[in-house]
Amino acid sequence: SQTIHQWPATLVQPVGSPLSLECTVEGTSNPNLYWYRQAAGRGLQLLFYSVGIGQISSEVPQNLSASRPQDRQFILSSKKLLLSDSGFYLCAWSGQRGSTDTQYFGPGTRLTVL
Amino acid sequence: AQSVTQPDIHITVSEGASLELRCNYSYGATPYLFWYVQSPGQGLQLLLKYFSGDTLVQGIKGFEAEFKRSQSSFNLRKPSVHWSDAAEYFCAVEGGGGSNYKLTFGKGTLLTVNP
Repeated sequence: SQTIHQWPATLVQPVGSPLSLECTVEGTSNPNLYWYRQAAGRGLQLLFYSVGIGQISSEVPQNLSASRPQDRQFILSSKKLLLSDSGFYLCAWSGQRGSTDTQYFGPGTRLTVL
Repeated sequence: AQSVTQPDIHITVSEGASLELRCNYSYGATPYLFWYVQSPGQGLQLLLKYFSGDTLVQGIKGFEAEFKRSQSSFNLRKPSVHWSDAAEYFCAVEGGGGSNYKLTFGKGTLLTVNP
C-alpha cells in the first residue's frame, strides 16, 4: 500500500531564517505531487504541483519554492521566512499521471514563524 | 475558474442525530467532486468521491453524498452521527482538461458533536 510521510511534524523558526520541508511517498512510482498551505479560516491553498522529476508548477507567487530531486520526494523551501509563511503545510500525491485521480494527503507540518 | 462554497462554517449536532453538510460548486463541465475530513492537527482523509455514474455515492465511516447537477451541489450526509465524527470537513472540486491535477477546496465546515 502507498504511504506518504512529511517531516518535521512541527517547526518554529525565526523570521528571515531558511526553510526546508520534506515529503516522501512510498509504494507507488511516478506520482503527481502537491504542496498545499492551510491557514485558519481560509481552507487549503495549492502552492505547487509536480508531474515528474524537476517539473514544478507554481500556483501562487510567494516567498516559497519547491523542488523534486527524486521521483517520490518533494521539498518545499524558503531562503528567508516571513511571518505570513506560518501555517499548516500539507503534501499530497495522486497516481495516473496525465489524468484525474484522487489526491491522498500526508500528516502535515505545522510551521510557526516568530 | 472553478470554486467551492461551503455555506456553514460551524455546525453542532447531538450524537445520534442526522447530519447534512452543504457544498456548492461552480464549474463549467461535469466536475470531479470529493469530501475530505480533517481531525485537529492531522492531514486530510478522503471520505468519498464522485467521478461519474450513480449520483449517490457511499463513503467510509457511514457517510454518503449526492451529486445534483441542477443545483450544483454535492451535500454530505450521515444518518446517525457519532462523537468521533467531530472534525472539519472539506468539499473539493477538480476539473478536467487544462485544470487537471488541481483541487479547489471550500473553506471547510467544523462539526461539533454534543453528547
